[in-house]
Amino acid sequence: DIQMTQSPSSLSASVGDRVTVTCRASQSISNYLNWYQHKPGKAPKLLIYAASNLQSGVPSRFSVSGSGTDFTLTITSLQPEDFATYYCQQSYSTPYTFGQGTKLDIK
Amino acid sequence: QVQLQESGPGLVKPSETLSLTCTVSGGSTSSYYWSWIRQPPGKGLEWIGYIYYSGSTNYNPSLKSRVTISIDTSKNQFSLKLTSVTAADTAVYYCARVTYIKSSYHYYMDVWGKGTTVTVSS
Repeated sequence: DIQMTQSPSSLSASVGDRVTVTCRASQSISNYLNWYQHKPGKAPKLLIYAASNLQSGVPSRFSVSGSGTDFTLTITSLQPEDFATYYCQQSYSTPYTFGQGTKLDIK
Repeated sequence: QVQLQESGPGLVKPSETLSLTCTVSGGSTSSYYWSWIRQPPGKGLEWIGYIYYSGSTNYNPSLKSRVTISIDTSKNQFSLKLTSVTAADTAVYYCARVTYIKSSYHYYMDVWGKGTTVTVSS
């Protein structure tokens, strides 16, 4: 199985801050990488698919980079609704696997 | 707008079978892949498997011997059965729609249910 490792596991930031979450794959996954946002008690939300494509309706303050084994998700100018847990997920091969999550909370 | 809703017992006894159903509204199960994912307490997300509307399946090898995913397109539902459950199967279970890009074989879960908590306990 392909292991996905996210860092940091948790992050405290303030509204208006810029934050970056890193996701590393245990082998090259090209651009078969998706990002999700998850808030407690709610359905996870797809943010990014195929490494660089913003899902419809996702604000442009979310941006991504990377290919191969290393990927980053950057959120510029944090908004109150952005505080959540973020997961990366590889779709290069089954079983699909997720990172352990990065919990972003308010400082 | 497509919505997914999980349903099923919230409590299952050890060694018994966990059965969940996902009902799709605002769209049809007669296309796409449909997936189950779970999240044990305090842990990350684990992909369980998916089913294509035609009935073909793909399961996580770690659960393959105990998992069956089925689909009923006439009812716009798909289901999960997990046999011989233990406390380790206690989790929030999510269903999701899997969209794929034919030209590049990218798959992603673009619509999720809110999840249902299943506890395995006697």
